[in-house]
Amino acid sequence: SAVISQKPSRDICQRGTSLTIQCQVDSQVTMMFWYRQQPGQSLTLIATANQGSEATYESGFVIDKFPISRPNLTFSTLTVSNMSPEDSSIYLCSDRTGGAYGYTFGSGTRLTVV
Amino acid sequence: GQNIDQPTEMTATEGAIVQINCTYQTSGFNGLFWYQQHAGEAPTFLSYNVLDGLEEKGRFSSFLSRSKGYSYLLLKELQMKDSASYLCASDQGGKLIFGQGTELSVKP
Repeated sequence: SAVISQKPSRDICQRGTSLTIQCQVDSQVTMMFWYRQQPGQSLTLIATANQGSEATYESGFVIDKFPISRPNLTFSTLTVSNMSPEDSSIYLCSDRTGGAYGYTFGSGTRLTVV
Repeated sequence: GQNIDQPTEMTATEGAIVQINCTYQTSGFNGLFWYQQHAGEAPTFLSYNVLDGLEEKGRFSSFLSRSKGYSYLLLKELQMKDSASYLCASDQGGKLIFGQGTELSVKP
């Protein structure tokens, strides 16, 4: 299965600012995904990052708030824009290796907005 | 729909067996995954079922019934290190949708 490097691992940000999270995969993967995990909760899918086209967002998430880039098959970024304390969460990227190996996750970015 | 239901928490004793159940909506179903997540860490893959039946992997086994939209994760010979959150996730139409997770506490 692929290995994903995600950074930053954590950050503390001021409200109203933006943070860009990066994920680098060690092999080409067809699909990449971005999740949010709020404190004490499970993972919620934000969007599917499509190579060469706009990301596909889940209900409740919009491009203006969470712009995503996917310039090639090994890299993606998620930006959390105009942050508020409610955005304090862990953000994880994932790729779909397929079959029994399923989905591999980055190590996560723990974001605190103050 | 994407509803996936599992109990929010369970408690078991070291050395015992515990079964964590999960139900999911069957539309667009491509497979059922179980992940383990320790506090502060990313989820790690435990098992994958796409056909009906039981898949055994060491102390962990996972069962799937596609007609019933039902799966369970069975943990045997529980150890203290098994205390973690266990996430049921359904591959629906090429994306992974998670249940709310079951927080398992293993006590001596």
